[in-house]
Amino acid sequence: AQSVTQLGSHVSVSEGALVLLRCNYSSSVPPYLFWYVQYPNQGLQLLLKYTSAATLVKGINGFEAEFKKSETSFHLTKPSAHMSDAAEYFCAVSVPTGANSKLTFGKGITLSVRP
Amino acid sequence: EAGVAQSPRYKIIEKRQSVAFWCNPISGHATLYWYQQILGQGPKLLIQFQNNGVVDDSQLPKDRFSAERLKGVDSTLKIQPAKLEDSAVYLCASSYRPGTSPTDTQYFGPGTRLTVL
Repeated sequence: AQSVTQLGSHVSVSEGALVLLRCNYSSSVPPYLFWYVQYPNQGLQLLLKYTSAATLVKGINGFEAEFKKSETSFHLTKPSAHMSDAAEYFCAVSVPTGANSKLTFGKGITLSVRP
Repeated sequence: EAGVAQSPRYKIIEKRQSVAFWCNPISGHATLYWYQQILGQGPKLLIQFQNNGVVDDSQLPKDRFSAERLKGVDSTLKIQPAKLEDSAVYLCASSYRPGTSPTDTQYFGPGTRLTVL
């Protein structure tokens, strides 16, 4: 079965600083990986996804993530944090299971941005 | 394009009562999902529909939870009777393709926050 590990529950950065949110996955087959963002009282919104086309994936709002098979990682980065980036971020993995596929989420990381 | 709609947004009930949530997916989306998100955790899939058929309900507590998707569009999720541990946000999501693909993007509604007292 596939799983995702997001170490730590909270990350705090200063406005303008680098954002790095870590995600490691476990899968017995080649995975597809996603990052979703959840703002307060809202549903989840897709930031970016890895579908094996390219290992460096660019998403919305200046975020990007790099798939590293050797490290089983898919860390999310943004060069310069903005106050509006404060939210909860979820990494998720999807693998085919027979005729179906299932999206499995990590526990999430809360990002705070200090002025 | 309208997003996934859910109602109500908030619900407070006492344990052993029943409750129902409604979801209207994005028009034309064949696959519909219900997730349970407990505070401090990621969403957990409860049930997945493809058109109006159930694809996966392995994580649905069937002794108290039920769901249906009539005519392959709207869906309702019901809990009867509710327990304290059912307090969570219930998220509905939909995706376009009728066949399940692991690369499909799921589009989420705002969720229903349930508090069981």
